[in-house]
Amino acid sequence: NAGVTQTPKFRVLKTGQSMTLLCAQDMNHEYMYWYRQDPGMGLRLIHYSVGEGTTAKGEVPDGYNVSRLKKQNFLLGLESAAPSQTSVYFCASTHRSIQATSTDTQYFGPGTRLTVL
Amino acid sequence: GNSVTQMEGPVTLSEEAFLTINCTYTATGYPSLFWYVQYPGEGLQLLLKATKADDKGSNKGFEATYRKETTSFHLEKGSVQVSDSAVYFCALGWRGYQKVTFGTGTKLQVIP
Repeated sequence: NAGVTQTPKFRVLKTGQSMTLLCAQDMNHEYMYWYRQDPGMGLRLIHYSVGEGTTAKGEVPDGYNVSRLKKQNFLLGLESAAPSQTSVYFCASTHRSIQATSTDTQYFGPGTRLTVL
Repeated sequence: GNSVTQMEGPVTLSEEAFLTINCTYTATGYPSLFWYVQYPGEGLQLLLKATKADDKGSNKGFEATYRKETTSFHLEKGSVQVSDSAVYFCALGWRGYQKVTFGTGTKLQVIP
């Protein structure tokens, strides 16, 4: 199992350019997430998905769009990149627990380091 | 709302020293509590977790006890190694809801 993979690992964009980050997981997880990590801010949830074809906004969704056309993939798009979107982006996935008494472990990808000039 | 507060780092310790990283939380109800670790250049991975009051999570010599009365989940290790150098995140999650709130992270540096 590869677990959670992210493409690309690094990217430099100019202000106003667009790009898509790809996340793939081979664990058949129902839930997938996109976070951004900034110094002193911890991880902040951008968007998440509870299943194929469904997405929802997280804590900091502005400037990003997502799609979950296939269960194993979760795409994060930046339509018009801004310097404030310079960050490290992490994708994560988790199994939907059948037990209402627990929250399952999140499995993270290695991250994408994005710089917007 | 839900929040997690961790001690600010960086924390610098000598090898074999005792480690405590404080974590307190604010939440209604009874969340699950987690510690995740991030090694340099990698994503986060689960270190340990506890799902109810008085539970103790443990892994790789690290321990944390879910204290409902003090709303805390402090991470401890009796003897740290250089290989423990990483950033540690405290987090809380909700049963059946699957969203997780992370703290800001505490960087640990262990020197030989």
